[in-house]
Parts: sequence; structure tokens; C-alpha cells
Amino acid sequence: DIQMTQSPSSLSASVGDRVTITCRASQSISSYLNWYQQKPGKAPKLLIYAASSLQSGVPSRFSGSGSGTDFTLTISSLQPEDFATYYCQQSHSTPFTFGPGTKVDIK
Amino acid sequence: QLQLQESGPGLVKPSETLSLTCSVSGGSISSSSYYWGWIRQPPGKGLEWIGSIYYSGSTYYNPSLKSRVTISVDTSKNQFSLKLSSVTAADTAVYYCARFDNTAMGSHFDCWGQGTLVTVSS
Repeated sequence: DIQMTQSPSSLSASVGDRVTITCRASQSISSYLNWYQQKPGKAPKLLIYAASSLQSGVPSRFSGSGSGTDFTLTISSLQPEDFATYYCQQSHSTPFTFGPGTKVDIK
Repeated sequence: QLQLQESGPGLVKPSETLSLTCSVSGGSISSSSYYWGWIRQPPGKGLEWIGSIYYSGSTYYNPSLKSRVTISVDTSKNQFSLKLSSVTAADTAVYYCARFDNTAMGSHFDCWGQGTLVTVSS
């Protein structure tokens, strides 16, 4: 199985801050990397697919980059509705696996 | 607008079989570009992919659960289902159904149900 790790596991930030979350795969997954946002009691929501493609309807302050084993999700200017947990997920091969999540909360 | 809705018992006894159904509305489960999957999340923990199915009936399962999982599809009802046998407390989780877009632009879960909590307890 491909193992996914994320850093940090949590972070505190203020509205307007630039936030960067890192995801690493245990082996190369090309660009088969997706990012999801999950708020408490809600289903995950797709933000970024194929490492850098913005899902329709997602604000442009979200962006993704990377390929191979190292990936980044960036929120250019954190908004109040962005406080949530973020997960990366590889779709290179089954079993599809998710990272452990990064919780973004209010400083 | 595509919507997915999970249904099934919220309480299952240990050693019994968990059964859930996902009803798809606003789109056809027989669309050629999509698979349909189940993902679960134990309370306070991360996400685990259980398995996926194509409308033709082809399935892919997580090896960690494969011996206990069956996913099936009913195209006439626009539904797909999950059965997980011999459950224990470790199977207590929120179970989500989701559409898996398997296009050339990369594959991803692009539409999710709201999730349903299943508790395993006597």
C-alpha cells in the first residue's frame, strides 16, 4: 500500500494568513493526488485533483502543486470558512489511501 | 445536480453483517466515466477507502477488508450497496458513499453522500 503523510498535523492561523500544508507519498504517484476539505459533521469536499487542478466552484485562493512524492496545498489568504481539516489522497493505485489530515484552526 | 444518500441500520450487533445502500439521484449510475465507492471514518479518526464498483459490476476492494466486504450495484434502481460481515466495534464509523471520477485528468471522489453513522454494539 502507498502510505500518505501530512505535515503539520495541526496549525493555528489568522484570517488573511497564507497557509501551506504538505503531503508526502511513500512512493511516486505522479500527479495522482487529491485534496479534500472536511468540516465537523460534514462529508469531505473535493478541492484539488490531479495535484493542481481546481475543482469547479472552489475559490481560487486554494491551489495545489507537486508531483512524484511531494505535494503542497496552499491557501493564499485564509478566510473564516476555511477553518477545517484537510486530507490528501492518492489515486495512483488501489487501495486508495488518505493522509492523516491537517486541522486548521483559529489563532 | 447529483446527490448521493446513504441508508441502512444505525446499530449492528457484533458478528453480524452491516448493510448499507447508496441511492443516486440527479444522474445515472451507468455513466461510463464513473465508479462508485464506499469510504468510512471512525469517530475522530481519518478516512479509509473500503472499495469501489463500476456499473458493469466490476469491483475493487481494500485488501484489509476484502475478506468481509461485498459491494454490488442495481442499475435499475440507480443504487449501489455495501455489505460488511462479521463486524466488531472497530467497524464503528461514519460510512460515506461517493462518486469516483476516473477520467484521464486524474481520478478523484468528486461527489459525496452526507454519511451515516453505524455503531457496532450489543
